[in-house]
Amino acid sequence: DAKTTQPTSMDCAEGRAANLPCNHSTISGNEYVYWYRQIHSQGPQYIIHGLKNNETNEMASLIITEDRKSSTLILPHATLRDTAVYYCIVRAPYNQGGKLIFGQGTELSVKP
Amino acid sequence: GAVVSQHPSRVICKSGTSVKIECRSLDFQATTMFWYRQFPKQSLMLMATSNEGSKATYEQGVEKDKFLINHASLTLSTLTVTSAHPEDSSFYICSAPRALAPETQYFGPGTRLLVL
Repeated sequence: DAKTTQPTSMDCAEGRAANLPCNHSTISGNEYVYWYRQIHSQGPQYIIHGLKNNETNEMASLIITEDRKSSTLILPHATLRDTAVYYCIVRAPYNQGGKLIFGQGTELSVKP
Repeated sequence: GAVVSQHPSRVICKSGTSVKIECRSLDFQATTMFWYRQFPKQSLMLMATSNEGSKATYEQGVEKDKFLINHASLTLSTLTVTSAHPEDSSFYICSAPRALAPETQYFGPGTRLLVL
């Protein structure tokens, strides 16, 4: 699976948008970009995933560059409960044997 | 929404004993489940893939005789840590993709194992 590069940590003010970047310059054509987050001492929570188009759901938006070498997860109005480690993962489709391999992630701290 | 549960949530055992951790998909069937381990301040490490009705496949460096996996039904996978030692103390997490929508993978809440 392709590796990803994320900043180790980021801060965000409560109520502001949190923009979390991810580089995946070696991504293959069939690999999706996934975002999960892990709140302390809990299991990871699925946020969003996409292939090449931008995606939005009730939690976040995912912006993927046209060359697919990087992406940004956007939490539009961060709250204190969004404090967590955010993982960007690239993975082949599940039916092609793709597995979720976690990197180090970005530790996001939302501050009052 | 889809839910994956784990039992127990926390276990303390003596060195040399075996510990079984259960992973259940509560409202969907999962022919495959994944087991991860996470040490403090580290990321999740994939240990093995549990396959319903067949043998589990282990990631490189994971001892299959140490970490026994059984996937007896479409909603239950178990991980048994045999002859546990203090270095096995960790946070064990399972996950499962829905059979009909496998691109979204759901994680359990984790089991914290402490071996004394």
